[in-house]
Amino acid sequence: SQQGEEDPQALSIQEGENATMNCSYKTSINNLQWYRQNSGRGLVHLILIRSNEREKHSGRLRVTLDTSKKSSSLLITASRAADTASYFCATVPSNDYKLSFGAGTTVTVRA
Amino acid sequence: GAGVSQSPSNKVTEKGKDVELRCDPISGHTALYWYRQSLGQGLEFLIYFQGNSAPDKSGLPSDRFSAERTGGSVSTLTIQRTQQEDSAVYLCASSFLGINEQYFGPGTRLTVT
Repeated sequence: SQQGEEDPQALSIQEGENATMNCSYKTSINNLQWYRQNSGRGLVHLILIRSNEREKHSGRLRVTLDTSKKSSSLLITASRAADTASYFCATVPSNDYKLSFGAGTTVTVRA
Repeated sequence: GAGVSQSPSNKVTEKGKDVELRCDPISGHTALYWYRQSLGQGLEFLIYFQGNSAPDKSGLPSDRFSAERTGGSVSTLTIQRTQQEDSAVYLCASSFLGINEQYFGPGTRLTVT
């Protein structure tokens, strides 16, 4: 079953703009992870945020976590055409070890 | 260092045939996962191996699916008597322990005709 749900399902932006996508989940978590997938093949890990963290940065990526609302957001700043991909959030429940993936947000960056 | 590798990258098979998909995880990673992804969908968990513990098979969709992991390294996912609904991309991932970031292979695209 999918615990994480991303919003929006699809996003189209102009190169240079920021892209924001959200993830909501249902149960308490150990950590939440964001992944990127190009062309429907292997996923690439972007960032992991633990339940006791509120914000994390990696290059042009900024992730926030609000455990009280059971939600997370991924912000991509100054987007590039190469950022065009599907982005998935995945949660590790606090009493389990399996990653549970959402259906993803498809981001298209227009040149 | 080498990442997770999977073979074959593509497999076309006739309905009713058996297929074997292979995954070579990153050396030293104790956890190995198999997922299935249908077109435009998220990832569906299939099975999880952690060290020498009994695998978590709770995601396998039917008894036609099985997997093994030999020597704590290479894993093989076997689908018997394939059906058209088995068509999907099968992804393998490994991680150091089960709760950390996962490293994915490129996947095997299975098409059942």
